Formats: sequence, C-alpha cells, structure tokens
Amino acid sequence: AQSVSQHNHHVILSEAASLELGCNYSYGGTVNLFWYVQYPGQHLQLLLKYFSGDPLVKGIKGFEAEFIKSKFSFNLRKPSVQWSDTAEYFCAVNGDNYGQNFVFGPGTRLSVLP
Amino acid sequence: GAVVSQHPSWVICKSGTSVKIECRSLDFQATTMFWYRQFPKQSLMLMATSNEGSKATYEQGVEKDKFLINHASLTLSTLTVTSAHPEDSSFYICSAKESYTEAFFGQGTRLTVV
Repeated sequence: AQSVSQHNHHVILSEAASLELGCNYSYGGTVNLFWYVQYPGQHLQLLLKYFSGDPLVKGIKGFEAEFIKSKFSFNLRKPSVQWSDTAEYFCAVNGDNYGQNFVFGPGTRLSVLP
Repeated sequence: GAVVSQHPSWVICKSGTSVKIECRSLDFQATTMFWYRQFPKQSLMLMATSNEGSKATYEQGVEKDKFLINHASLTLSTLTVTSAHPEDSSFYICSAKESYTEAFFGQGTRLTVV
C-alpha cells in the first residue's frame, strides 16, 4: 500500500525566507506526485504535479518541487515566501493504477509572519 | 482547471437520519471519484474510491453500509451517510479525475449531526 509522510507538522517563517517542505512516499511502482494547498476556509487547489520527464517541476505562485526517485522524495520549495502563502500544504501520491489510491500526506501547516 | 461541484456545502441533520452529498464534475468525465473525510486541523482521510459503473472500494475501517457511495454516471457520485450520529460530524470532500490526470477537488461539505 502507498503511504506518504511529510517531515514537518508546522513551519513558521518570516516573509522573504526560503521554504522547503519535505515529502516522502513509499510505493514500489511508477507514481504520480502532487502538491496541493488549502488556504484557510478554502478547498484544495493544485500547486504542481509530476507525471514524468524533468524531475524539477514548476507550479503556480513561484513554487517548485523536485522528484528524487532514489530517495522517494518530492520536496516543495519556494525561494521567498509571502504572508499570503500561509496555508496547509499536502503532498499526494497516485500509483500507477491511475485511479487507485490517491493518497495524501498528513499535511504541513505553514505560517508566514509579516 | 476542471471544476468539481459538491452539494450541499453545509448541512445539519438530526441523529438517526440520512444525508446525501453530491459530487459533480462539470466539464469533464470523471472515470474515478474519491471521497475523503477531514477532521479539524488534520489531513484528508481517504474513505473510498469509486469507478463509474462499479462498486466503490472502501478503505480499511470505513463502514460501507454506513457510507453508501454511488457512481452511476461519469459526472456524478453521491455519498449517503446513513443513520448519522454526532461522531459522523466532519468535513467531507470529494475529488474527481479522468485517467492520467490529477484529481480536482470539490469545495467540501460540512456535516453537523445534532
């Protein structure tokens, strides 16, 4: 079975600081990887996704993530965070059955101080 | 991106009654739909995965007789919480995907059982 872990439960940063949120997954087959964001009071939105190709993927709002297959990792990064990035971030994995087991990590709460 | 509409967004019901939540994909055909439950300040817990025209696959620990899922068409899935009790109060989220794409999320339904 797939599982997803996220390294940090709560991250607190000041504006303009750099961000890296860790995500590791366990699954033996081909995976599709996602980062979703949930702003306070809103529903989940896709930040970025990796299906194949260049392991460094760029998403919306200046976010990027790097897939490192050997480490089963898909860490999310942003060079300079803003107060508006305060939200809950979820890493998710979809295995190669494409429709089976779209599994989420526990989430990381990001608080950006103005 | 694609739009997934969930209805209602908020419902209060009496203990012992049943509640139906609808999830519709508005501009694409959802071959697979997922139902999640989210407790306050926690991640999404996958309840079940349903493919159009077939029975839903429930995650371990989720009562299939209590949480009835129907995916009768490529644009509609329903979750019925039968004989609801206060412990069923939660935030229920659906997502839908075509093959080989990311999942798109509904806005969620907050269920309160009194």
